[in-house]
Amino acid sequence: AQKITQTQPGMFVQEKEAVTLDCTYDTSDQSYGLFWYKQPSSGEMIFLIYQGSYDEQNATEGRYSLNFQKARKSANLVISASQLGDSAMYFCAMREGRNTGNQFYFGTGTSLTVIP
Amino acid sequence: GAVVSQHPSRVICKSGTSVKIECRSLDFQATTMFWYRQFPKQSLMLMATSNEGSKATYEQGVEKDKFLINHASLTLSTLTVTSAHPEDSSFYICSAKTGGTANNEQFFGPGTRLTVL
Repeated sequence: AQKITQTQPGMFVQEKEAVTLDCTYDTSDQSYGLFWYKQPSSGEMIFLIYQGSYDEQNATEGRYSLNFQKARKSANLVISASQLGDSAMYFCAMREGRNTGNQFYFGTGTSLTVIP
Repeated sequence: GAVVSQHPSRVICKSGTSVKIECRSLDFQATTMFWYRQFPKQSLMLMATSNEGSKATYEQGVEKDKFLINHASLTLSTLTVTSAHPEDSSFYICSAKTGGTANNEQFFGPGTRLTVL
């Protein structure tokens, strides 16, 4: 079974609008971490936001927020007030366990295009 | 945030030659580094986990004799693609973990684009 599932290969959003990128995960661990990364065409992976499995509040970082629904095993990324520079690939990732050396599992990514 | 560099950023080589890619943590010590491979329009696939001073742990299907990983210091890991072939052409990304468990993130290098002719 896929550890991380991103069902939206491509998304379009009007500039200044909000957009939600979907991510569901599969794990039997009680302790895990969920991440979102942005990858522009240059290829670098840019860390956006982190949610720990024990965090009770949804994580927020500026225009990014993570809609964490533990029972549904979903960790959707919400980008508010979209900007042209937000056009990029977005990857959801999960790390299982408390061991910081544990590997990351990445989803297949969502390509976001912001329309002026 | 922590900075990870990779060198070179792009490399073109002839089939049959070996290529070394360096991954450095610039302002922190990384006991663990990860090497990923990414084909165009696809996700990152973990190749191996590199721990300083010990042998790397390779993922299933990754040839350890072809992709040599050395993590000789707390700030440097190298990936050597031996006897490269066109099918090895890909985007190789490393990441490094800081100590502690603050937010448990990995810091990624900018990637190396390998083209084998």
